[in-house]
Amino acid sequence: QKEVEQNSGPLSVPEGAIASLNCTYSDRVSQSFFWYRQYSGKSPELIMSIYSNGDKEDGRFTAQLNKASQYVSLLIRDSQPSDSATYLCAVNVAGGYQKVTFGIGTKLQVIP
Amino acid sequence: DAGVIQSPRHEVTEMGQEVTLRCKPISGHNSLFWYRQTMMRGLELLIYFNNNVPIDDSGMPEDRFSAKMPNASFSTLKIQPSEPRDSAVYFCASSFSSGHRHNEQFFGPGTRLTVL
Repeated sequence: QKEVEQNSGPLSVPEGAIASLNCTYSDRVSQSFFWYRQYSGKSPELIMSIYSNGDKEDGRFTAQLNKASQYVSLLIRDSQPSDSATYLCAVNVAGGYQKVTFGIGTKLQVIP
Repeated sequence: DAGVIQSPRHEVTEMGQEVTLRCKPISGHNSLFWYRQTMMRGLELLIYFNNNVPIDDSGMPEDRFSAKMPNASFSTLKIQPSEPRDSAVYFCASSFSSGHRHNEQFFGPGTRLTVL
């Protein structure tokens, strides 16, 4: 079982819809969770971090964490074509000090 | 503020040659990470440093790879000898660690390496 699992997609949503990106992780003691956005040919860019169960909202983005289910998600409201990118989920590794493990990423396509 | 700086941005070399990638972390950050990204394997951590000391190099593929961090503002990743399977994008990232929280990492623009 991979430490961090994501569906590679592509996930296609129409412009204006809600995009829902999901991530599961295997280590129950993980405490820190991150979502990065990566445009083609560019480097990963941090867009959300979440450390506690529940929801965290930042503009059109909402991160949701459920530690009991080992599940973290990212919702993008009012999706725009400019949101088309690969979204990487990252989770810290227990005992790994500052180390995090990245999922393979989900490619999102927002259709105008 | 300047972000993470990497050089070169692109490198094309022939099999067997030595390759050196360079990174300057964000000023004030005390953790530095080297990643490799390929289509097949995604983003893989190669090695990371905290306060210039290597903490975990378990991701380094083999002895052909080595990394150093002689001071807080500079790190190198060296491949000697290079092989075609080393072709990938290599990212450097940095973060500031405080206490037990795993802090946010910021990535450089990457070096696209092609080994012929």
